[in-house]
Amino acid sequence: ETGVTQSPTHLIKTRGQQVTLRCSSQSGHNTVSWYQQALGQGPQFIFQYYREEENGRGNFPPRFSGLQFPNYSSELNVNALELDDSALYLCASSTKTSAGELFFGEGSRLTVL
Amino acid sequence: KNEVEQSPQNLTAQEGEFITINCSYSVGISALHWLQQHPGGGIVSLFMLSSGKKKHGRLIATINIQEKHSSLHITASHPRDSAVYICAVRRVNRDDKIIFGKGTRLHILP
Repeated sequence: ETGVTQSPTHLIKTRGQQVTLRCSSQSGHNTVSWYQQALGQGPQFIFQYYREEENGRGNFPPRFSGLQFPNYSSELNVNALELDDSALYLCASSTKTSAGELFFGEGSRLTVL
Repeated sequence: KNEVEQSPQNLTAQEGEFITINCSYSVGISALHWLQQHPGGGIVSLFMLSSGKKKHGRLIATINIQEKHSSLHITASHPRDSAVYICAVRRVNRDDKIIFGKGTRLHILP
């Protein structure tokens, strides 16, 4: 039990639709990062939020966007869904230090048809 | 070339064997994480290292900063250790980006 919860756990969308995934961080953690994990691959860094501002981004197009709220919970939004967006989306919370341990949620599995 | 490379990609061993998984990286880092992922997706943090060695139960993790290399060892392996083990590094940069290896799929046979 990491104290990080994600919702929904599974969802199915069709191409062109939009999706919002949610993450509640562990208490006291002000940094959240999001990852995309395709089947059989390692996670890929999407972006990171620290105190409600994006402060790092991986190689993902602008249709991947996020928000972090004052209580440090977070959303990942994906617009204009494509078939290749089908993946497990993971969030991890940590304290904003270079030595911060990562605490992962169980992930949201998105299928795009 | 990936910034984080793990070996082997797949490993099958008998229960009781000593297991070693290797991780090499090519960027400056502030920390290295060893993670465990079971079928279904959830990731558990096993170790976070910035130097030296850490031990937790049957698991041992070491890191050599000069050689940019880390190893995860499992002693007296058990079928419940079967999982994907992922090495991830926190890059020294303004964005503290986390870079993941592709993982090592471990299968321990009873």
